[in-house]
Amino acid sequence: QAQLQQSGPGLVKPSQTLSLTCAISGDSVSRKSAAWNWIRQSPSRGLEWLGRTYLRSRWFNEYKPSVESRITINPDTSKNQFSLQLTSVTPEDSAVYYCAREGEDGGGAFDIWGQGTLVTVSS
Amino acid sequence: QSALTQPRAVSGSPGQSVTISCTGTSRDVGAYKYVSWYQHHPGKDPKLVIYDVSNRPSGVPDRFSGSKSGNTASLTISGLQPEDEADYYCCSFAGNHIFYVFGTGTKVTVL
Repeated sequence: QAQLQQSGPGLVKPSQTLSLTCAISGDSVSRKSAAWNWIRQSPSRGLEWLGRTYLRSRWFNEYKPSVESRITINPDTSKNQFSLQLTSVTPEDSAVYYCAREGEDGGGAFDIWGQGTLVTVSS
Repeated sequence: QSALTQPRAVSGSPGQSVTISCTGTSRDVGAYKYVSWYQHHPGKDPKLVIYDVSNRPSGVPDRFSGSKSGNTASLTISGLQPEDEADYYCCSFAGNHIFYVFGTGTKVTVL
């Protein structure tokens, strides 16, 4: 059974960069029938898909339009993990952040989730 | 892109059935077969219970079923169990620009 283990700071100052990592066990970030996603949840915005990275003929990255100018999701094949960077954060970016696998069923079937990281944006 | 609309709360007694609606538009729920449902117990990670409108992942009890009509998808829990008390969220693919949109969430209470 695949597992995702998240790591990263829980407190980020306004205008700085939020950085989280999701380590994969029992699967491979390079598997061509999977996609690796970041999703967040806050009381004000509910669940919100942020973006994903996946390998097919090449690496693809796809992002939610409203955060596209601030977000980067990168795979790290040497460590079998993927990361989230969100720049210029504001208190509105405070949320529980999840990484999630989208398996071969695709279409938003997020079948494995990380444990969640509560990130607070505050000075 | 607005969130999909779900009722804030539904409730039922053990053994009863409850249905949660998820209303979108012709650009998301109505356009694609990619509707999924998640069960979320507070403090735990969300669990996929339905994908592709009506498919159940292995290990999910068959009392969970999904359907879709037009722009509205539905999750039905038959034979409600105490452990089904949780928050439930729908999710739909919304095209190769928006990608995915989630529902507002529904709290299911087992009376």
